[in-house]
Amino acid sequence: EAGVTQSPTHLIKTRGQQVTLRCSPISGHTSVYWYQQALGLGLQFLLWYDEGEERNRGNFPPRFSGRQFPNYSSELNVNALELEDSALYLCASSFYRTAYNEQFFGPGTRLTVL
Amino acid sequence: QKEVEQDPGPLSVPEGAIVSLNCTYSNSAFQYFMWYRQYSRKGPELLMYTYSSGNKEDGRFTAQVDKSSKYISLFIRDSQPSDSATYLCAMSEGYGGSQGNLIFGKGTKLSVKP
Repeated sequence: EAGVTQSPTHLIKTRGQQVTLRCSPISGHTSVYWYQQALGLGLQFLLWYDEGEERNRGNFPPRFSGRQFPNYSSELNVNALELEDSALYLCASSFYRTAYNEQFFGPGTRLTVL
Repeated sequence: QKEVEQDPGPLSVPEGAIVSLNCTYSNSAFQYFMWYRQYSRKGPELLMYTYSSGNKEDGRFTAQVDKSSKYISLFIRDSQPSDSATYLCAMSEGYGGSQGNLIFGKGTKLSVKP
């Protein structure tokens, strides 16, 4: 069974640009989560989508946004990039209705903002 | 006080040693506790999960949860160089809770020397 996939693997952008990251969940999973892992800060929760709806949002500015498509894949958009947005962006998926809500992560997209 | 505290290490041990990794937390609503292993420049890999208080064993790994003390541990027996990675604890309220996302510790970097 295929795991969570993310694209692209690496991105280099300059300040002020916009970027779109993509995630495909494990088959059968309806929830997608986005996390930011910046150096020294650990994993910070960004967004949670379930069944096409945004369910929860972390403490990030509105220039971080996303959506979930009918096939449960998801996009994360970051506008007006800042230097501190440089990080590994991780997508995880789960079938939320299970008690444990085990989340399985993709390999991440490494974003560098110059 | 952060919701989840984890000693970042680094922790260096000789091959064959018993490793103890720990996290403390403040949110008494957390019911589900997980440990992830993250190799350098990769996404986190789910290692173990437990519900409420108690122990769970899987091969060389044992996870312990003490809800009364808000303290969780991961023990690795007979550690191997391949165990060298960053270990992340994560917690959630589980299905029906106010948050679907996991709350992570910052991770402990472990190095097992041959």
